[in-house]
Amino acid sequence: DVKVTQSSRYLVKRTGEKVFLECVQDMDHENMFWYRQDPGLGLRLIYFSYDVKMKEKGDIPEGYSVSREKKERFSLILESASTNQTSMYLCASSSFSRGGGTDTQYFGPGTRLTVL
Amino acid sequence: AQSVTQLGSHVSVSEGALVLLRCNYSSSVPPYLFWYVQYPNQGLQLLLKYTSAATLVKGINGFEAEFKKSETSFHLTKPSAHMSDAAEYFCAVTLHNKFYFGSGTKLNVKP
Repeated sequence: DVKVTQSSRYLVKRTGEKVFLECVQDMDHENMFWYRQDPGLGLRLIYFSYDVKMKEKGDIPEGYSVSREKKERFSLILESASTNQTSMYLCASSSFSRGGGTDTQYFGPGTRLTVL
Repeated sequence: AQSVTQLGSHVSVSEGALVLLRCNYSSSVPPYLFWYVQYPNQGLQLLLKYTSAATLVKGINGFEAEFKKSETSFHLTKPSAHMSDAAEYFCAVTLHNKFYFGSGTKLNVKP
C-alpha cells in the first residue's frame, strides 16, 4: 500500500521562527511536491523536485525553501515564519512519466500550521 | 498556462439524489485529468483519472467522470448520493509533470 507520511499533523509556531516540515514516501517515486491549501484557493504549488538534490519553484515559492538529500524525503523550510503562512501544507509524490503527462500524485495527511 | 475551473464552491444534494460536480479546463493539448476527494483533516485521495484510454472513466465509491473534449469538461457524477460522500472534491489537470488544481467543491449530503 502506498504511503506518504508527514512529520506533524498540527504545528504551532511563533512569528520569526524557522520551521521544518518533513515528508517521507515509501514508493520509490522520483517526483515530490509541496502544496499549501487555503479555503477558496484550492491547492497551490510551492516547490517540487524531480530528483535528489534537484528542486524547482512552483507558483508561490516566496518565503519557503526545500531540501531533498534522499529520494524518499522532501523537506519544506520556512526560514522566518509569518502569520500569512498559517495554512494546511500537503506533501505529494508521483512516479516520473516519460510521456509528458504524469502518474497519479499520492498525498500525505497534511500538516496544519498555525503561526502566531 | 493551465487553469481548472470548478463551478460551485458548495453543492448540496439529498441522500439518494444525483451528484454532479463540474470541472472545466483550459489546455491547448489533451491533458491528463483527475478527480480527488478530501475528507476533513485528511490528505487528498484519488477518485479517478483520465489518460485518453476511454472517455468515460469509472472510479471508486461509485463515481464516474466523462471527458468531453469539445466542451473541455470533465464533470464528476454519481447516480445516488450517500451520506459518506460528504467531502471536498478537487479536479486537477496535469501537463509536463505538473498538476494544476481547481479551487474545490464542497459536497453536502442532506438526510
